Amino acid sequence: EVQLVQSGAEVKKPGESLKISCKGSGYTFTNYWFGWVRHMPGIGLEWMGIIYPGNSETRYSPSFQGQVAISVDKSISTAYLQWSSLKASDTAIYYCARRLPGSAAADYWGQGTLVTVSS
Amino acid sequence: EIVLTQSPATLSVSPGERATLSCRASQSVSNTLAWYQQKPGQAPRLLIYGVSTRATGIPARFSGSGSGTEFTLTISSLQSEDFAVYYCQQYSTWPFGGGTKVEMK
Repeated sequence: EVQLVQSGAEVKKPGESLKISCKGSGYTFTNYWFGWVRHMPGIGLEWMGIIYPGNSETRYSPSFQGQVAISVDKSISTAYLQWSSLKASDTAIYYCARRLPGSAAADYWGQGTLVTVSS
Repeated sequence: EIVLTQSPATLSVSPGERATLSCRASQSVSNTLAWYQQKPGQAPRLLIYGVSTRATGIPARFSGSGSGTEFTLTISSLQSEDFAVYYCQQYSTWPFGGGTKVEMK
């Protein structure tokens, strides 16, 4: 059974750094594009960036380029989303998702990680 | 960048009725369109990809159609578990469509 399990909720202050994770299981982790999606209630969903674990090729949405970093550790089938300096506007739910081969449709999703940034 | 516009923003439907949701792209997108369902407190769930292919385990009452710039998600007979927000996604854009909330009439 394919599963994506994300790390738990985080509460941070503006300016702090953060790295959240998503561990894949039940499939060959290196064979599927993998991405992070931000969900801001009332605003909607947006892909932040994607990574191919097989060779770590990474692409970022222009909206998030330079604001976050996406990485993987193939040895433990885990992907990461990282901020070096959080802002209050980063408060949102973040989902990881696996993309179907040959498609950008996401067929499996993590349970979501709530990130709250508040002073 | 391709912009996706969903309508209506809110759709009020009674159980058993048909629901028709629209997604319009700002330029032609061929067959690179998907639909998702999201319920409160849950991750999105893939319903349809490639415009009309149902994802694994999706009931036949969900169907997708369209071409070019106009796409439709149809729920043939709405069940109680179908009340949710629905998003469209085009493969080459980063933002999803703005969503349609299907609520009970």
